[in-house]
Amino acid sequence: QQQVKQSPQSLIVQKGGISIINCAYENTAFDYFPWYQQFPGKGPALLIAIRPDVSEKKEGRFTISFNKSAKQFSLHIMDSQPGDSATYFCAAGKRSGGSNYKLTFGKGTLLTVNP
Amino acid sequence: GAVVSQHPSWVICKSGTSVKIECRSLDFQATTMFWYRQFPKQSLMLMATSNEGSKATYEQGVEKDKFLINHASLTLSTLTVTSAHPEDSSFYICSAPRTLETQYFGPGTRLLVL
Repeated sequence: QQQVKQSPQSLIVQKGGISIINCAYENTAFDYFPWYQQFPGKGPALLIAIRPDVSEKKEGRFTISFNKSAKQFSLHIMDSQPGDSATYFCAAGKRSGGSNYKLTFGKGTLLTVNP
Repeated sequence: GAVVSQHPSWVICKSGTSVKIECRSLDFQATTMFWYRQFPKQSLMLMATSNEGSKATYEQGVEKDKFLINHASLTLSTLTVTSAHPEDSSFYICSAPRTLETQYFGPGTRLLVL
């Protein structure tokens, strides 16, 4: 059972365009939703994260939109740049034993930004 | 700069040998660390939660005798792949929570078992 569904699998955007990646989750116990960026051969790096009590969060060119009723959230990258070309993972987290969050990842989206 | 390190970054070993991978939090203490496995062009799959001072907890389907985890100190967790076989070849990544929510990932260790 795939708990976090991510789409599209790959995305090609022109420089300056908007990249949009969508995720949907099933388990309402999730209450933390981060996005990670991963370059080939490297570990994931945290981009931005949101809690379900907020419908939108913006940090620089990155915005998360969150729809709690639909159990969906998305990442918008404004003014996409070639340096943004990477694999993006959404994740959903729930508390593990009352302490830290355990994360369940989506399958990833390979973003290519053409110059 | 990097807040979580892993060593080694690359390891090639013969089938049947054991390989140890270290994960260190560099400027904070982590009573919990997480170990993930990632196959090429696939997602990260949580293998186990490493707990300082107690036994690791493993996800369903992960062999605890195969993947030994030791959380030796508040800044170090090790993953030992015992009697490695070619199907164990993968990218192993650890993470450490700096806060309750924020997990920082290491750069990963690529294991190739011949």
